[in-house]
Amino acid sequence: SQTIHQWPATLVQPVGSPLSLECTVEGTSNPNLYWYRQAAGRGLQLLFYSVGIGQISSEVPQNLSASRPQDRQFILSSKKLLLSDSGFYLCAWAQGRVESPLHFGNGTRLTVT
Amino acid sequence: AQSVAQPEDQVNVAEGNPLTVKCTYSVSGNPYLFWYVQYPNRGLQFLLKYITGDNLVKGSYGFEAEFNKSQTSFHLKKPSALVSDSALYFCAVRDMTSGTYKYIFGTGTRLKVLA
Repeated sequence: SQTIHQWPATLVQPVGSPLSLECTVEGTSNPNLYWYRQAAGRGLQLLFYSVGIGQISSEVPQNLSASRPQDRQFILSSKKLLLSDSGFYLCAWAQGRVESPLHFGNGTRLTVT
Repeated sequence: AQSVAQPEDQVNVAEGNPLTVKCTYSVSGNPYLFWYVQYPNRGLQFLLKYITGDNLVKGSYGFEAEFNKSQTSFHLKKPSALVSDSALYFCAVRDMTSGTYKYIFGTGTRLKVLA
């Protein structure tokens, strides 16, 4: 069966520090990968998605970036965090078929101080 | 533009009563619809999906959803609510425009089941 791992679960970082959140998927190959941010426990904002190694689509211009160095690895990064980067970050994957649902990791709670 | 709407921010229901969480959609072409549940500080869990076929879709934890093409709705239902069903529920539709792979989510409905 497929599983998705996302870490760390919580993170407290000072303003201006770098960020690296990692997500890996097991049990499938060539998944579509996604990073979402959820603010105030409600709406989901799509940040990035990837349909293959090295292929990144950005939805929101900001100081975050994403990379996919391996087929089942998706990394969210920032060189300098802002206070507004605080939130709940969710990684997700889906198979390439149109009827495939998204499957989410357990999220990372990021607090920028 | 493709979209989903969840008109209720919160739904309260007594334990043992039937529950309905509403979702309406706007898409061009055939809709691919999904329901998710989120518990506090956790990721979203997939409940069920509608692709084609029967208008009543059965999913996890006793949930089902009714697809209504004429009303462009996909309401989530459960015959008898449990306190443990209290959570945040999201409706989503697959964005099929321009060959993208995105999913469009509603704003979420908080379900509170009262003992």
